[in-house]
Amino acid sequence: DTEVTQTPKHLVMGMTNKKSLKCEQHMGHRAMYWYKQKAKKPPELMFVYSYEKLSINESVPSRFSPECPNSSLLNLHLHALQPEDSALYLCASSQDGGSGVTEQFFGPGTRLTVL
Amino acid sequence: EDQVTQSPEALRLQEGESSSLNCSYTVSGLRGLFWYRQDPGKGPEFLFTLYSAGEEKEKERLKATLTKKESFLHITAPKPEDSATYLCAVPLPSGTYKYIFGTGTRLKVLA
Repeated sequence: DTEVTQTPKHLVMGMTNKKSLKCEQHMGHRAMYWYKQKAKKPPELMFVYSYEKLSINESVPSRFSPECPNSSLLNLHLHALQPEDSALYLCASSQDGGSGVTEQFFGPGTRLTVL
Repeated sequence: EDQVTQSPEALRLQEGESSSLNCSYTVSGLRGLFWYRQDPGKGPEFLFTLYSAGEEKEKERLKATLTKKESFLHITAPKPEDSATYLCAVPLPSGTYKYIFGTGTRLKVLA
């Protein structure tokens, strides 16, 4: 199984709402990632979890809050977002949790619109 | 500064017209280079991993090659279904989990 799943596929929220994005993988990967992608731009790294611990936070605003309940699940909690946060949010996972380097597998993404 | 640059930014080909996409990098101590295909509104799909200069990988009409400074994605006799954005990515030095993505090449293959 080389699949990363994400829910929901689409999300529309107001600036005062609280919502969560969910990601799941069953490949036994030990690193999981959240990316943000704007139209015609490459993915931008937001957070990396390695062995369920936050490894990288690319100075992302606190209105985005990641959570890694276990090695298969990754959540992104959203609160008080701005219209400019509208984007495609991608989850990815990779096998390496140490010095090895392997490819990332991406989920289908959640299309987020903030009104 | 670590950087990944892709060219051209956009490419239109007739069906069957072969071409190459370029990915140039200035990352010291390359630990791998990855190619992805991304369809509009979807997540990137992994294509190839290249680890050392001289390495080549093939899949259907696609062939990826790697030198010490760049990688090429050769598309032979493309079909309309090959239309997509092609991204390359390079991992930063050991101890981080950050991958630098190129800006991508948007490929359109016309029937």
